[in-house]
Amino acid sequence: GQQLNQSPQSMFIQEGEDVSMNCTSSSIFNTWLWYKQDPGEGPVLLIALYKAGELTSNGRLTAQFGITRKDSFLNISASIPSDVGIYFCAGQPYSGGGADGLTFGKGTHLIIQP
Amino acid sequence: EAGVAQSPRYKIIEKRQSVAFWCNPISGHATLYWYQQILGQGPKLLIQFQNNGVVDDSQLPKDRFSAERLKGVDSTLKIQPAKLEDSAVYLCASRGPKAFFGPGTRLTVL
Repeated sequence: GQQLNQSPQSMFIQEGEDVSMNCTSSSIFNTWLWYKQDPGEGPVLLIALYKAGELTSNGRLTAQFGITRKDSFLNISASIPSDVGIYFCAGQPYSGGGADGLTFGKGTHLIIQP
Repeated sequence: EAGVAQSPRYKIIEKRQSVAFWCNPISGHATLYWYQQILGQGPKLLIQFQNNGVVDDSQLPKDRFSAERLKGVDSTLKIQPAKLEDSAVYLCASRGPKAFFGPGTRLTVL
C-alpha cells in the first residue's frame, strides 16, 4: 500500500523554539491533514489542506499543501509545553468511489525541554 | 456534542482467543472507519462503512478479522483467532463534514 515518509522521527527542542516537520508521498493526495495524538487518546485534527499550494494557519500552527500534491509541512512557532505529543501527517485520496480512508505517516514525536 | 465512544478501553487475551471491540459513532455520522495502530506507527485503515455497507475493506485481514455495522450506527470489530502481531490500539473514527477519532481500544495478545 501507499506509504508516507514523515520526518523527523523525533525532535528535542527548547521551549519557545520553532518546530518544522514534513511529509512526502510517492502518490498524489486530494487532501492533506495534520493530527496530534496524546497518550491514551485518538488523533485530533489540527489542520486540513484541500488545494495544492494552500497555506493554512491555526494559531501558532501553519501547514502547507505542496504544489506537486505529494508533500506537506507543518510548522509550530514559539513552542510551549502542551505542544508535546506525536504529530501525524495523513493523506486522503480522491473519493469518487466513496473510499476515502486516510494513509498516515509514522509520526513525529515532539519533546520539549523547559 | 458527544464524541466517538469505544469499549473496552483495554483488553488482554491469549493468542488463539477471540476478541470484539465496539464503537458508537457521533450521532448522524454516516461514515465509520476502523484503524489499527501498532506501537510506534501511524494508524492503518482496516475498513470503511457508509451507513451499513462496506466501502473499503481491502486492508482487512479477512481470514481472522471481521466487522459489521448492522443498523448503520454502532459497529463491532472482531478478531478470531488472535495472533501476537494483533497487539495494537484499534481506533474507530466517524465522519460528518469532518472525521473524529475515538480514544481507541488497546489490545495486548500474550
